[in-house]
Amino acid sequence: DVRLVESGGGLVQPGGSLRLSCAASGFSFSDYWMTWVRQAPGKGLEWVANIKDDGIEKHLVDSVKGRFTISRDNANNAVFLQMNSLTVEDTAVYYCARDLRANYCTDGVCFLPSWFDPWGQGILVVVSS
Amino acid sequence: DIQMTQSPSSVSASVGDRVTITCRASQDISRWLAWYQQKPGKAPRLLIYAASSLQSGVPSRFSGSGSGTDFTLTISSLQPEDFATYYCQQAYSFPITFGLGTRLDIK
Repeated sequence: DVRLVESGGGLVQPGGSLRLSCAASGFSFSDYWMTWVRQAPGKGLEWVANIKDDGIEKHLVDSVKGRFTISRDNANNAVFLQMNSLTVEDTAVYYCARDLRANYCTDGVCFLPSWFDPWGQGILVVVSS
Repeated sequence: DIQMTQSPSSVSASVGDRVTITCRASQDISRWLAWYQQKPGKAPRLLIYAASSLQSGVPSRFSGSGSGTDFTLTISSLQPEDFATYYCQQAYSFPITFGLGTRLDIK
């Protein structure tokens, strides 16, 4: 079975840092993009970042650019989210998910959409003084 | 950024009912849309991708349709396990964005 397990969350003061990890198993990790999505308490889903299978291409939402870094270790089947300069607005459950980003080609025109399956159970990050 | 607007924000229905949830994108996203189900305290689950393709393992009572800016998720005959919150997600461009969700409650 495909399994994703997040770790590294907890309580941190504003301005602090945390590094989230996501351990993957049950699939060929190095063949897939991976993504992080967060959900503030009682709120909807917000995509945070994703990273290409080879770790070269990365995308982040504007609100975390310059503060968060996504990386991966294909040898150990793990993806990471380094979070610096945390603010109270970063308080959320953080989910890692396998990103099913792949080419869809029609009449010679290709597109590369991202959707996510499966998701980990999530890890809570609380930024508070 | 592409804004995703879901309606209704909440709906009450009974077991056996047919329910339709809509999602509108702020610009043309072709068929690059996904739907997710989330139950309280649980991670989301992918139901539909590419607007109308059923993810493996998802019951056939779930279906999706639409293209361009207007999309729908239909549950043909509600089952007790379907009461949850549903989110649409555009996969057309970065940043990837979600709708605010539709909460489906038992009437």
